Formats: sequence, C-alpha cells, structure tokens
Amino acid sequence: AQSVTQPDIHITVSEGASLELRCNYSYGATPYLFWYVQSPGQGLQLLLKYFSGDTLVQGIKGFEAEFKRSQSSFNLRKPSVHWSDAAEYFCAVSTSYGKLTFGQGTILTVHP
Amino acid sequence: DSGVTQTPKHLITATGQRVTLRCSPRSGDLSVYWYQQSLDQGLQFLIQYYNGEERAKGNILERFSAQQFPDLHSELNLSSLELGDSALYFCASSTSGGAGGDTQYFGPGTRLTVL
Repeated sequence: AQSVTQPDIHITVSEGASLELRCNYSYGATPYLFWYVQSPGQGLQLLLKYFSGDTLVQGIKGFEAEFKRSQSSFNLRKPSVHWSDAAEYFCAVSTSYGKLTFGQGTILTVHP
Repeated sequence: DSGVTQTPKHLITATGQRVTLRCSPRSGDLSVYWYQQSLDQGLQFLIQYYNGEERAKGNILERFSAQQFPDLHSELNLSSLELGDSALYFCASSTSGGAGGDTQYFGPGTRLTVL
C-alpha cells in the first residue's frame, strides 16, 4: 500500500529565509506526486505536481520540488519565504484511479 | 477559486442525525472525490465517482454513502452521526477517471460539527 511521510509537523522560518519541506513516499510503481497548500479555513490549492520527465518541477508562488527516486523523496523548496506563505503544506501520492494519499502535513510559521 | 463548489459551508447537528453534503465539480470534470479531514486521522480518501458510477472506495464507513447525479454533481450522505464524525469534508474533481496522474481540484470544504 502507498504511504506518504512528512517528518516535520511544524517548521518556523524567518521571512526572507529559504525553506525546505520534506516528503518521503512509499509506492511500488512510478509515483505521481503532488504538493498542496491549505491556508486557515480554506480548501487545498495545488502548488505543483510530478508525473515524469524532469525531476525538478516548478510550481506556483515561487515553489519548486525535486523528485529523487533513489531516496523516495519529493521535497518542496522556496528560496525566499514571504509572510503570506504561512499555511499547512501537504504532500500526496496518486494511485490507481487518482485517489490521493496524503501525508500528515507540515505547518509553516513565518516570523517577520 | 478552484471552480468546485460545496454546500453548506458549515453544518451543526446532533448525534444520531443524518446530513447531506453537496458538491458541484468544475465545468467539464467527470470525476468527483470525497475526502475527510480530521485532527486524528488527517486527510483520508472516502470515495470516488466517475460519470455517475462508483470508481473507488476508501475508508468510508457503512453509515456514509454517496452518489453522483446525471448533471455530475455529487452528494455525500452521513447518517447515524457520532461525535467522531465531526470533521472537514472536502470534495475534489478531475477531468477523467483518474489514471493516476489526474490533477484534483478541491472545493472549500464543509465543516461538520456533531454535538
């Protein structure tokens, strides 16, 4: 069965600092990987996705993620964090029929 | 705005009651997915419908049921409600039947509180 692990429950960074959110997956076949963001009281917004090809994918709001098959990882990065990036971030893997399996989420706090 | 709408936004009810949550997918999307988000279980897939037919089932309780109508909107029915059913229920839609890489667009959710 597929699974996703986000090792960091809560991360705090200063505005302007770089960010990396970790995601490890377990899936027997070629994974389809996603990062979603959830602001307080809001739904989930897709940041980026990996299907195949280039292992470095670009997303919205200046985010990028790198797929590393050897490490079963799909870490999310941003070079300079803005206060508006404070939210909860979810990594997910897509399986047959598109069902998403999510990690537990990482809450990002941004200090001014 | 993802284009997926969910009603109602909030729902407060009592144990033992039955409620219906409604979802309208993005224009042109044929698949609808339901997810439950709770503090202890996180985000869990419940069920998927594609063009009116059930396609996949996840950790959905027998007290819960869903359907997708000819106009492609979907309803999630929760009955004999328990305190533990209190959660945020999301609907998502995608273009096709899934095929693994289909992008899902999420609605704003319905927050259910069972007292």
